[in-house]
Amino acid sequence: SYVLTQPPSVSVAPGQTASITCGGNNIETKSVHWYQQKPGQAPVLVIYYDRDRPSGIPERFSGSNSGNTATLTISRVEAGDEADYYCQVWDGSSDHCVFGAGTKVTVL
Amino acid sequence: QVQLQESGPGLVKPSETLSLTCSVSGYSISSGYFWGWIRQPPGKGLEWIGSINHRGPINYNPSLKSRVTISVDTSKNEFSLTVSSLTAADTAMYYCARAITGGTRPIDKWGQGIFVTVSS
Repeated sequence: SYVLTQPPSVSVAPGQTASITCGGNNIETKSVHWYQQKPGQAPVLVIYYDRDRPSGIPERFSGSNSGNTATLTISRVEAGDEADYYCQVWDGSSDHCVFGAGTKVTVL
Repeated sequence: QVQLQESGPGLVKPSETLSLTCSVSGYSISSGYFWGWIRQPPGKGLEWIGSINHRGPINYNPSLKSRVTISVDTSKNEFSLTVSSLTAADTAMYYCARAITGGTRPIDKWGQGIFVTVSS
């Protein structure tokens, strides 16, 4: 089964840039989706197909995917960005969805 | 605007079977998309359970496949999940969700979730 590796936590000061990585074997050949989950709430899709933003998601959120690492970047971080972030791909070899373990973003 | 709402018991006994239903409003299930379930144990990450399309393709998490069934009722515009042989490890928030049709299925709509406790 395909494995996605995320750092458990990332800390960032307000106004700075947060980078959240998602590692996987040759992940650049897959489309990566990212979700934001705030405490007590359902996840929200913030980036899909590596770099596209759904309607309503601020331009501060961006994504990239190259080699063995996909990255979610949050520019000009705000206190409201504090949340858990999960990456997700579809494992075509066994036809099922795979989530990373999640990264907790703390705004200092 | 599409909305998803989970319903079912909040407490189930070990070894029993859990049945949950997701009612969809604002969109007809038979018009497309994939419809599925994701769960999240307390303090842990997301675990995909499976998904179904109204035309029938069903995909399950290999680790749960032997205990899980997902079905769809287009006449009621809802879909369901059953999980058998429950243990305490199945205690979790269960979310129903909509995934975009295609190879990679990003999940663009989520229900609010229903917390299920497995305990005697």
